[in-house]
Amino acid sequence: GAVVSQHPSRVICKSGTSVKIECRSLDFQATTMFWYRQFPKKSLMLMATSNEGSKATYEQGVEKDKFLINHASLTLSTLTVTSAHPEDSSFYICSASGGRSYNEQFFGPGTRLTVL
Amino acid sequence: AQKVTQAQTEISVVEKEDVTLDCVYETRDTTYYLFWYKQPPSGELVFLIRRNSFDEQNEISGRYSWNFQKSTSSFNFTITASQVVDSAVYFCALSSGNTGKLIFGQGTTLQVKP
Repeated sequence: GAVVSQHPSRVICKSGTSVKIECRSLDFQATTMFWYRQFPKKSLMLMATSNEGSKATYEQGVEKDKFLINHASLTLSTLTVTSAHPEDSSFYICSASGGRSYNEQFFGPGTRLTVL
Repeated sequence: AQKVTQAQTEISVVEKEDVTLDCVYETRDTTYYLFWYKQPPSGELVFLIRRNSFDEQNEISGRYSWNFQKSTSSFNFTITASQVVDSAVYFCALSSGNTGKLIFGQGTTLQVKP
């Protein structure tokens, strides 16, 4: 099956610093990658959709300058949380789709961000 | 507008009981896909099933079964003879249109007690 990895799995940082999260499709070419955010005991909320080589499309209410998304290759997308604050602490999950079915997403294991 | 509703926030059962998790969806598209995912405490989403809108056949996979009824816009999930390892949060999700976006329900936390 399709495998998606995320790195790091867990990160703790100080307020004001920037954090980069990587999402990689290991065995397929991901034409589209999605970034989700999940608060404790809540559902997954789509933050943005990124297509390889083009700018990400952000969902309403998501700050583009706060959450920078880059999808420079067919196997890698990055999410950078800029000038992180405690309210940015959350579980971030990426997913990737590509190949025969654009309606099937393969999820990464998630990254737990804690901002002190 | 697309929406997925999982009315049951938390369910608690005793091991070996059967349990059904409800999912109701809304979409104006005629072609769409429905999904169920399991999220154990580790956080990683585990894919359980994908069903397209043209296939209303019920599906059974081991102790899991799914009932898809377009007439009521529901895609319910039943676990037969539940086990402690089934304890997790279960999400129903909908994908329609050509964006591939997934709309998740609020999730149902299932606790199976020994």
